[in-house]
Amino acid sequence: QVQLVQSGAEVKKPGASVKVACKASGYTLTNYPMHWVRQAPGQSLEWVGWINAGNDDTKYSQKFQGRVTITRDRSANTAYMELSSLRSEDTAVYYCAKDNKIQAAVDYWGQGTLVTVSS
Amino acid sequence: SYVLTQPPSMSVAPGQTARITCGGDYIEYKRVHWYQQRPGQAPVLVVCDYGDRPSGISERFSGSKSGNMATLTITRAEAGDEADYYCQVWDSGSNHVVFGGGTTLTVL
Repeated sequence: QVQLVQSGAEVKKPGASVKVACKASGYTLTNYPMHWVRQAPGQSLEWVGWINAGNDDTKYSQKFQGRVTITRDRSANTAYMELSSLRSEDTAVYYCAKDNKIQAAVDYWGQGTLVTVSS
Repeated sequence: SYVLTQPPSMSVAPGQTARITCGGDYIEYKRVHWYQQRPGQAPVLVVCDYGDRPSGISERFSGSKSGNMATLTITRAEAGDEADYYCQVWDSGSNHVVFGGGTTLTVL
């Protein structure tokens, strides 16, 4: 069965970078797009960006353009989301989310990774 | 950028029908997906536009669209339906995913 298992919680200082991993099992990562979505405490879901199926084309929310990089390791069947120049407002749970190829519907989600930015 | 507007909260009596709305320009021409999120958990897809109902999702959940409004309908509401609900579309103009602000459903 499909599973997305994310790396553990992180605590970072302002200005630092964080890289969150998402290991997929039960399917081949490159066959489906992967999204990253975040949720600040008590707030709604916010799309960060995605990496397309097949090729490694990426698209990022304009809000994070220049600070976020989404990649994947085909051999490890793992996707990554790196966010740089962290600030306190980046404190949130970050989810990886598998696209089912129907107009960006997400059929599987990782368990979420809490990233805390604090001095 | 494309905006989806949801009411922040709503309530429904057990056994009654809840209708959660999601407003957006020309939304009837977009694929609208709905997610349920319980506290402390990841979201779950409950309605996928243009496709079969996700595995394990009750037939009590359904979606519809008309004009600038999409609606998630939950029939025979149960206590277990209490959660936050989010609508989502793919904005082809920007190649971005857009989420609504979410609606907290209370069953009482």
